[in-house]
Amino acid sequence: DAKTTQPPSMDCAEGRAANLPCNHSTISGNEYVYWYRQIHSQGPQYIIHGLKNNETNEMASLIITEDRKSSTLILPHATLRDTAVYYCIVRSQAAGNKLTFGGGTRVLVKP
Amino acid sequence: SAVISQKPSRDICQRGTSLTIQCQVDSQVTMMFWYRQQPGQSLTLIATANQGSEATYESGFVIDKFPISRPNLTFSTLTVSNMSPEDSSIYLCSVEVTGKMWTEAFFGQGTRLTVV
Repeated sequence: DAKTTQPPSMDCAEGRAANLPCNHSTISGNEYVYWYRQIHSQGPQYIIHGLKNNETNEMASLIITEDRKSSTLILPHATLRDTAVYYCIVRSQAAGNKLTFGGGTRVLVKP
Repeated sequence: SAVISQKPSRDICQRGTSLTIQCQVDSQVTMMFWYRQQPGQSLTLIATANQGSEATYESGFVIDKFPISRPNLTFSTLTVSNMSPEDSSIYLCSVEVTGKMWTEAFFGQGTRLTVV
């Protein structure tokens, strides 16, 4: 699986949008971009994923550049409960293809 | 979706002893995964467990240290053997659910292990 690069940490103001970048310059054509987050003392939780089109769900939006070498996860209105470590992962859809976690971005939402 | 229950949620163990962690899923799944998360670190895959076959271990992890059982499609155990303080970590069980359009991973809450 392709490696990803994320900033180690970022702060965000409550109620504002949080934009989390991820570089995945070696992504291959059949690999999707997945985002997970891990709130303290819990297991990782799926947020969103995409291949090449922008995606939106009830939790977040995912913007993938046209060349697919980078993406941005957007939390539209950050709350204190969004404080977590956010992991950007690229992987193919083949069953059993393991998730390779990088360092993630530690997001602190401040009042 | 899948709901995963792990037991115990936490434990404090003496060095040299072994601990078996249980992972129960509310649906049948082909593959189950065991991860380790050392303090302040990201998740590292230990092994992949398929029902009816031996687990596949990642580089740096061996069966003698982390034996895994997978007796059926909803249950697995991971044993941390002959523990030392360096084994103090969170151990997480994970499964994959494949739908029509995508594959999603679900995780248990983890087992926080402290070795003294």
